[in-house]
Amino acid sequence: EVHLLESGGGLVQPGRSLRLSCAASGFSFDEYAMHWVRQVSGKGLEWVSGISWNSGTIGYADSVQGRFTISRDNAKSALYLQMNNLRPEDTALYYCAKSLSEYGDYRGGIFDYWGLGTLVTVSS
Amino acid sequence: SSELTQEPAVSVAFGQTVSISCQGDSLRFYYASWYQQKPGQAPVLVVYGKNNRPSGIPDRFSGSRSGNTASLTVTGAQAEDEADYYCNSRDSSGDHVIFGGGTRLTVL
Repeated sequence: EVHLLESGGGLVQPGRSLRLSCAASGFSFDEYAMHWVRQVSGKGLEWVSGISWNSGTIGYADSVQGRFTISRDNAKSALYLQMNNLRPEDTALYYCAKSLSEYGDYRGGIFDYWGLGTLVTVSS
Repeated sequence: SSELTQEPAVSVAFGQTVSISCQGDSLRFYYASWYQQKPGQAPVLVVYGKNNRPSGIPDRFSGSRSGNTASLTVTGAQAEDEADYYCNSRDSSGDHVIFGGGTRLTVL
């Protein structure tokens, strides 16, 4: 059974940094692109970033480009999101999501499994 | 980046058929995927590609595309189908993933 478990969220002041992690199990992690998607409470979904199965291609939403860095460790079946220079508008529930297709580029954008999310709150 | 536009809310009588639309320029080139999200839960993929359903998704859910508009159709809506539905696809550049604003489906 596929399982995605996010961690690392919390309360942080504007301008500070936070690192999110996603522990994956139940599938061959090193064969699938992975993503971060966020959701402000009561609002819609926003794609944040994606990374291909071998880290060969990476993409970011314009809203986080230059501040967030996605990475993965296939040996540990782990996905990360380093978030720097955080802003109040980054406050959201951050989901880790798995791409549907094997060996795909992050651009495929079809998410067949999601974690339960980790909450990030940016406030002074 | 381009946008995907969904109607904020749609209602359907129990057992009837309803379609939810998703409009955007990029949909002329890329298929949409559809996700169901119930309160307090993570989204669930219900339809993707031309008209594919993941294992476990009832066949009353189907997808289609015409021009720049993708549609999710629920044939014979059930009470448990009441949820928020989101479409997503690539943007026109092909380099970003984008979501529609979501549609709240109410089953009367």
